[in-house]
Amino acid sequence: DSGVTQTPKHLITATGQRVTLRCSPRSGDLSVYWYQQSLDQGLQFLIQYYNGEERAKGNILERFSAQQFPDLHSELNLSSLELGDSALYFCASDDRAYGYTFGSGTRLTVV
Amino acid sequence: GENVEQHPSTLSVQEGDSAVIKCTYSDSASNYFPWYKQELGKRPQLIIDIRSNVGEKKDQRIAVTLNKTAKHFSLHITETQPEDSAVYFCAASMTGANNLFFGTGTRLTVIP
Repeated sequence: DSGVTQTPKHLITATGQRVTLRCSPRSGDLSVYWYQQSLDQGLQFLIQYYNGEERAKGNILERFSAQQFPDLHSELNLSSLELGDSALYFCASDDRAYGYTFGSGTRLTVV
Repeated sequence: GENVEQHPSTLSVQEGDSAVIKCTYSDSASNYFPWYKQELGKRPQLIIDIRSNVGEKKDQRIAVTLNKTAKHFSLHITETQPEDSAVYFCAASMTGANNLFFGTGTRLTVIP
């Protein structure tokens, strides 16, 4: 167990739908990062939150949004889903001593 | 922003041989370079990292070297074992910014 918790582990939904992925960072970590990993692809940075505020944005589509709540958990909202959004979505939190720690990911399948 | 390139994309070695994966980065301000190992369907896990104030770091069979002048860093795995088979990602960031920029990954296969 990495200490970073992601739910759900698997999600199957239809095109056009909206889903919410949840991440709780490791205790004491203030940052949450979201990454998308499509089949056999690398890790695409989506967005970073730090202590409730957006800090950095990567290649995140306008159909996607995220937020970090006062208890530091974060949610990634994906709307108007397309087949191409099928991927593994990872969140990570970081500790300056140990670097990034990833959660186990949410596998999203859009049918 | 930072651009990290990683080579090769696939690498096959015989068990017991060494494997080397190379990465280059573009932003001279980057000063933290971690390596992650990802087994199929699992999360990436940090295996070793190096900061810009050192040129080399070792941890048992794994070593990383950094050449700041040339802006490249490499992962070296010696005496490879079948359980080393995985996808390896390099990354770079600026301490303080924290956002990691990842390479595209190398699929390492160790043939028994």
